[in-house]
Amino acid sequence: GEDVEQSLFLSVREGDSSVINCTYTDSSSTYLYWYKQEPGAGLQLLTYIFSNMDMKQDQRLTVLLNKKDKHLSLRIADTQTGDSAIYFCAVQTNDYKLSFGAGTTVTVRA
Amino acid sequence: DVKVTQSSRYLVKRTGEKVFLECVQDMDHENMFWYRQDPGLGLRLIYFSYDVKMKEKGDIPEGYSVSREKKERFSLILESASTNQTSMYLCASRGDRLYEQYFGPGTRLTVT
Repeated sequence: GEDVEQSLFLSVREGDSSVINCTYTDSSSTYLYWYKQEPGAGLQLLTYIFSNMDMKQDQRLTVLLNKKDKHLSLRIADTQTGDSAIYFCAVQTNDYKLSFGAGTTVTVRA
Repeated sequence: DVKVTQSSRYLVKRTGEKVFLECVQDMDHENMFWYRQDPGLGLRLIYFSYDVKMKEKGDIPEGYSVSREKKERFSLILESASTNQTSMYLCASRGDRLYEQYFGPGTRLTVT
């Protein structure tokens, strides 16, 4: 099956940029997603990118996709304390299946 | 706004009990999903349903069953709960567009 890997932890200073990386194995993936999970809550869709795109920007969020290397990243500009959460990378492997990474816990320090 | 609700936020059950987790969505979505979330493993798909009374196994269906009698409701059933089913359970629903999958708040189940 699809393997989706991401680092488990990231610590960043408030105001700096955060970059969360993700690698995947299935080159036929159509959509790739970033979800955010705050403590005690479900998953919230942050952004997504279609596989024929290289980059997508949405306010403070920038998603970069390198299909050749099967690498996806999420950059959060001007990171705030409210950005502290677990961030999941997910890859659409067929119409009904999303494969998730283990999640990156982002801690924002003052 | 899409709303996906789950019947309980926290649940404690004993080994061997039959457990029902309920999920309701209000967007007339055809597709509904049950995942479990464990630290270091991310989310794993247990079962999904693409229509009323239709169900398909996901990656880890063993020990679980599901029921979808009405479009808005998708139930996850643990026939005989075991301690290794202690986990966070997340329900999701989705319409026609692949990129619009919405999650409920989760049920944290503890089996003792």
